[in-house]
Amino acid sequence: NAGVTQTPKFQVLKTGQSMTLQCAQDMNHEYMSWYRQDPGMGLRLIHYSVGAGITDQGEVPNGYNVSRSTTEDFPLRLLSAAPSQTSVYFCASSTSGTGSTDTQYFGPGTRLTVL
Amino acid sequence: RKEVEQDPGPFNVPEGATVAFNCTYSNSASQSFFWYRQDCRKEPKLLMSVYSSGNEDGRFTAQLNRASQYISLLIRDSKLSDSATYLCVVSQRGSQGNLIFGKGTKLSVKP
Repeated sequence: NAGVTQTPKFQVLKTGQSMTLQCAQDMNHEYMSWYRQDPGMGLRLIHYSVGAGITDQGEVPNGYNVSRSTTEDFPLRLLSAAPSQTSVYFCASSTSGTGSTDTQYFGPGTRLTVL
Repeated sequence: RKEVEQDPGPFNVPEGATVAFNCTYSNSASQSFFWYRQDCRKEPKLLMSVYSSGNEDGRFTAQLNRASQYISLLIRDSKLSDSATYLCVVSQRGSQGNLIFGKGTKLSVKP
């Protein structure tokens, strides 16, 4: 199993550009989520999904969209990039539908810089 | 809003030392507790879950005190490879996706 994969590993955007961060898992996990990690801050939840076709907002959803058309994939879209979105983005998955009591498996992260 | 608080460190210890990290959480409805390890520029990985009775995994011991809303992690006989940031993670009862991460405690084990 590849586990949780994320692409790209690094990305530089200009303010106002849009892009999609890709996340895929091959463990047949129902629960997937996106976090951002900033220096001096804990990981903060952006959006999550408890199964295909179901998504919900986390703590910091503004400026991001998600969709979950398949169990495997959970892309994160930046609608109009801003310097405040410069961060490291981690995708995670877990077996349970709630996602809050099981091991979270994280992808390797995407380092995004917005100029 | 400081729901999960940890001493950021860094803790600089020699090989073989015993080191303890503490974490406090503010929500008494918290249900599940974890320690994750994060190496520099890498993703977090589960180190161990924390149970009310306390639990041990090799050189690592985790304790939970619900009355004081306090979690600890003890590492015995530190190895160079233990150098990392340790994240305290808490979830709320009945929540969906509501994992709260501490900012992490950095450990550096020196030869």
